[in-house]
Amino acid sequence: EVQLVESGGGLVKPGGSLRLSCAASGFTFSSYNMNWVRQAPGKGLEWVSFISSSSNYIYYADSVQGRFTISRDNAKNSLILQMNSLRAEDTAVYYCARDPTQRFGAVYHGMDVWGQGTTVTVSS
Amino acid sequence: EIVLTQSPATLSLSPGERATLSCRASQSFGNYLAWYQQKPGQAPRLLIFDASNRATGIPARFSGSGSGTDFTLTISSLEPEDFAVYYCQQRSYWPPMYTFGQGTKLEIK
Repeated sequence: EVQLVESGGGLVKPGGSLRLSCAASGFTFSSYNMNWVRQAPGKGLEWVSFISSSSNYIYYADSVQGRFTISRDNAKNSLILQMNSLRAEDTAVYYCARDPTQRFGAVYHGMDVWGQGTTVTVSS
Repeated sequence: EIVLTQSPATLSLSPGERATLSCRASQSFGNYLAWYQQKPGQAPRLLIFDASNRATGIPARFSGSGSGTDFTLTISSLEPEDFAVYYCQQRSYWPPMYTFGQGTKLEIK
């Protein structure tokens, strides 16, 4: 079964750090681009960060640029989001999601597999 | 940055009726558009990719159309399990940057 499982969420004070993990199984993780997407309580979805299959390309939303770092370990089928200098507005459920779209591909395949999410709360 | 505007914000319909959800982009970006369904407490689920292709396992009552700046998700005959929030999402060609619409809540009338 194709699966993504996030972990690492919790309560952290403003200015603090947190490290989220996403464990992949049931597919060849090293062949897929991956993303983090978040959803603040009662709000819509917001894209956070992208990493290509071999980590050659990394992009961030402006709201997290310079504070968050995405990485992956293909040998361990693992995606990581290191979050520093956390703010109250970073409070959200964080999802990892797969994007099979090839670079310069003619077809956008969407984010076709999602984890169940992990909750991050930034509060004093 | 492309802005996606979904309408209506809330759509109240009865089972068996047809639902038409709109997603309008602030500028044209081709067909790099997807639709997702999200139910309370659950992760989003991909319904439609590349504007008009149903994802694996998605019933035929869901269809997507449009190009350029105007896109539509149609549910031909609503089932009770279809009442949820729906998001459109755009991805730029390269570098890959993603934008979601604000969502349309489909509720039972």
